[in-house]
Order: sequence, then structure tokens, then C-alpha cells
Amino acid sequence: DAGVTQSPTHLIKTRGQQVTLRCSPKSGHDTVSWYQQALGQGPQFIFQYYEEEERQRGNFPDRFSGHQFPNYSSELNVNALLLGDSALYLCASSKSSGSYYTGELFFGEGSRLTVL
Amino acid sequence: RKEVEQDPGPFNVPEGATVAFNCTYSNSASQSFFWYRQDCRKEPKLLMSVYSSGNEDGRFTAQLNRASQYISLLIRDSKLSDSATYLCVVNINTQAGTALIFGKGTTLSVSS
Repeated sequence: DAGVTQSPTHLIKTRGQQVTLRCSPKSGHDTVSWYQQALGQGPQFIFQYYEEEERQRGNFPDRFSGHQFPNYSSELNVNALLLGDSALYLCASSKSSGSYYTGELFFGEGSRLTVL
Repeated sequence: RKEVEQDPGPFNVPEGATVAFNCTYSNSASQSFFWYRQDCRKEPKLLMSVYSSGNEDGRFTAQLNRASQYISLLIRDSKLSDSATYLCVVNINTQAGTALIFGKGTTLSVSS
């Protein structure tokens, strides 16, 4: 049973460029959350997708956008890259279970983005 | 005020020591609380949930004080393999759903 997979694992971009990161959730999971983790910091919540819609959003600008596909996979897009966008981008999947939340997010290994 | 705040690290302890991590959260409506562990250059993984009555899992004990909006994690008899960053996590609920918010993390280094 494959866990959460992310691609690419590493990438380098220059300021002003755009990037797309991809995530396939764990089998049986329908909810995907994206996090940004800067060096020495905890993961910062970007947004969450469920049923192909953005359900929750953290304090990130509109340059950060996403998409969820019918097979539950997801993409994170970042436009007009800034130096400060350099970070590890983590995708986490979970299974929606109504009001009861088990708290177990399964994370991928992340995509490490460097902006020069 | 940050939604989740943790003790600044790092904590450097010898094997066998007992170490405690503290965490406070700002959203009084939060209902679910967790500790995650993150090894160096790895993804976070769930360590344990935190229940109101307190709960224990082997050498690990988690406590929750809702009135003070305070969470703790106690590690007894520290092992070298406990060296990692420990992340305090709380949920936020809106009409749209629920999401998990992570603290900055506290780094533990256990030495022989």
C-alpha cells in the first residue's frame, strides 16, 4: 500500500517564476492538506482540499493556489516566486470522517523548493 | 499571538533523563490535540493524541489542561532514538471543516 507520494523531490527556481507541486494521497484517503515548512520552523498550514474544493485556508497570499482531482490527487501552484518561498512543501492526506477527527495526517516526504 | 506556541529548544539531555515539553494554544474552541515527531530531514509522524484525562504510551505521557489551554509531553528514561523535533498540534474548526495547526517544534537531543 503506497503512502503519500510527492513530486518533484527537489527543484530550483528563480524569482518571479511559477511552480507546480504534485501529491498523491494514501490509498483510501480523500482529503489533502498542504503545508510549508521553512528551515527551523514547524509546518505552516496553506490549505486543505476535499471533494475537489478548497475547504480551509491558512494565512497565505493568493499566489498560492491548488487543485484536487477526482482521484483525490492534488497540486499546489505558487506564482511570482519570492526568495522567501524557499521551503519544504509537505502534502498530508487523511480520511474525512465528519466531526470526529483522529488527528492522523500521513505526510509525504516533501518537495524541497529553492528560489534563487 | 501565534495559534500554537512551544518551548524554545533545543533540549540536550543524557540518556535516561526525564524531559518535559510544554505547549500553549490560543483557540479555546480547539477540541483535538496531538504530538507529532519529526526526525531530521524527514516528514512529521503522529506520536500520540492528547486526551483530557491525560494518557500514557510507554515512556511517553501527554497531559491537557483546557482551562489554561496548555498541553505537555513527558518523556521518561530518554533513549538516543528519542532525538528528534517534537511538534505540538491542535485542530481548528470552521463551518467548512477542520485542519491541524502545528507549533514551531522543540528539538530534543539525547546523548550517551
